[in-house]
Amino acid sequence: SYVLTQSPSVSVAPGQTARITCGGNNIGVKSVHWYQQKPGQAPALVVFDDSDRPSGIPERFSGSNSGNTATLTITRVEAGDEADYYCQVWDNSGDHPSYVFGTGTKVTVL
Amino acid sequence: QVQLVESGGGLVKPGGSLRLSCAASGFTFGDYYMTWVRQAPGKGLEWISYITGAGGTIHYADSVKGRFTISRVNAKDSLYLQMTGLTPDDTAVYYCSRGGGDSDFDYWGQGTLVTVSS
Repeated sequence: SYVLTQSPSVSVAPGQTARITCGGNNIGVKSVHWYQQKPGQAPALVVFDDSDRPSGIPERFSGSNSGNTATLTITRVEAGDEADYYCQVWDNSGDHPSYVFGTGTKVTVL
Repeated sequence: QVQLVESGGGLVKPGGSLRLSCAASGFTFGDYYMTWVRQAPGKGLEWISYITGAGGTIHYADSVKGRFTISRVNAKDSLYLQMTGLTPDDTAVYYCSRGGGDSDFDYWGQGTLVTVSS
């Protein structure tokens, strides 16, 4: 089955840039979606189809995807960005389709 | 506005059954795939099952296949998850979300906690 690997944690100072990576075999040919989950809350979509933002998501959140790595970039990080972030793809390469989530990255704002 | 509200969680003994519900509002329910995702305490997200808008296509994760059944009643704007043969490994917050197929999950409910313990 398809596996998505994320680094467990990223620490960043306010105002700086956080980069969260999601590794997967030839992930560049798949559409990658990113979710933010704050403590005690449900996940929320922040980037879809590699680099598009839902309405209401600040331009500070951006995504890219190429080769074996997808990246979520948060510029001008704020305290409110502290959360767990998960990447996700749809894997239809096997006998039946499935949705795969990354292992999650905890973003800590120093 | 889109709202998804789960219910039906609770404490159940190993081997027991539980039926979760998800009430949808704010959109044309039957036009959308719907999905269940769960999250064990302190763990990441795990996709469980999805169902197409008309209910004609259903898929399950291997971890629940044969034990869980997803269904929907579009006339009631409702999604369900019937869970049987529950084990402690099924302990998690269960979320319903809108989306599936090759698209993202753009709206999520607040989740309902299922605890499997003797």
